[in-house]
Amino acid sequence: ETGVTQTPRHLVMGMTNKKSLKCEQHLGHNAMYWYKQSAKKPLELMFVYSLEERVENNSVPSRFSPECPNSSHLFLHLHTLQPEDSALYLCASSQGAAGGTDTQYFGPGTRLTVL
Amino acid sequence: AQSVTQPDIHITVSEGASLELRCNYSYGATPYLFWYVQSPGQGLQLLLKYFSGDTLVQGIKGFEAEFKRSQSSFNLRKPSVHWSDAAEYFCAVGAGDTGRRALTFGSGTRLQVQP
Repeated sequence: ETGVTQTPRHLVMGMTNKKSLKCEQHLGHNAMYWYKQSAKKPLELMFVYSLEERVENNSVPSRFSPECPNSSHLFLHLHTLQPEDSALYLCASSQGAAGGTDTQYFGPGTRLTVL
Repeated sequence: AQSVTQPDIHITVSEGASLELRCNYSYGATPYLFWYVQSPGQGLQLLLKYFSGDTLVQGIKGFEAEFKRSQSSFNLRKPSVHWSDAAEYFCAVGAGDTGRRALTFGSGTRLQVQP
């Protein structure tokens, strides 16, 4: 595997379910990101991890819980979601921790549908 | 805070015609600028980036972009469009001096290519 991979690619869940999204980067990068892409809206940054430490949390509801066990893996744990949380969730990584100036490499995304 | 505007939501061009996608940014200092492309159901792929130096930047797939500080613009161009270029294009700006660790994206321009 190369680049940034995400699993699953598609997920349908009910509002009472608990599920997790997984992201893995094979680039040796030190920073990882979760973005949300909703229809007709710009990409929204959710979380940033640098060297496994959360360095930015962009006012995301607590029903989204990130986890970064090591610099190669990033999870997004989901529970009691709302239908408006349906979106494409994108993971990205960058070499350095200053994501604003480092090139970010994106995974293919997980298409989430909340019923 | 930085912002990005992509004035054109949707553009249609004929195959072989030239293309220019507009991007205007707002940022107090020298910006770090990026263009990404997203094919349906896929993540974002970096086309090119501008950090400093020559204001005309060459990217992959025959794309180029020109940074114009006086106009706060970073327009993407391609001299001859191919059908495979049909996708959504995102301009993004990164903050080099505030420590904010993520990119600010525009809303995107969807490109349709007619045969």
